[in-house]
Amino acid sequence: GDSVTQMEGPVTLSEEAFLTINCTYTATGYPSLFWYVQYPGEGLQLLLKATKADDKGSNKGFEATYRKETTSFHLEKGSVQVSDSAVYFCALGESGGYNKLIFGAGTRLAVHP
Amino acid sequence: EADIYQTPRYLVIGTGKKITLECSQTMGHDKMYWYQQDPGMELHLIHYSYGVNSTEKGDLSSESTVSRIRTEHFPLTLESARPSHTSQYLCASSLLEKLFFGSGTQLSVL
Repeated sequence: GDSVTQMEGPVTLSEEAFLTINCTYTATGYPSLFWYVQYPGEGLQLLLKATKADDKGSNKGFEATYRKETTSFHLEKGSVQVSDSAVYFCALGESGGYNKLIFGAGTRLAVHP
Repeated sequence: EADIYQTPRYLVIGTGKKITLECSQTMGHDKMYWYQQDPGMELHLIHYSYGVNSTEKGDLSSESTVSRIRTEHFPLTLESARPSHTSQYLCASSLLEKLFFGSGTQLSVL
């Protein structure tokens, strides 16, 4: 079945460092791909998405490109801030219009001043 | 911002009790979901609904049940809580491909 694999955390960075969180997927069909973020004590929020190959999703300085050839959707940010500390989830939307998401295991990011 | 609400935020209860976790949304979304989030943070879909009187089991088997009598309301019930049910439960609704999540209910069964 469809699945999502993302790099294990925690990821600990200093402020203004470059961030990469790897995400790869296995899917039949042509799924949409998402990054969700969960701040402490809150529910998940959509960070960005891409719906087809070579699409780039971006939001709040974060970017991810849908790479069909490598089945990847890595999250990047050029300069992280302390406020970016959260858990990041890569997700795959099953095709078929049912909006069911399959989530990766989550990667905790801690940014220190 | 999403208008999806979960109550209670925290619940500590003894084994054998019946509990209902509430989830409501004011956005008129047809599709709603319940995810279970384990301590390792992984999210597992346990129930979903495509509209009133429509409920389906998700990918992770769960002893809980759900109902969808009104569009805005999607409660989850455990008839007899056990320590193995201790977890974070997240409710969500969706529009197109975007999911909106509530803040979750942290359930602890003693």
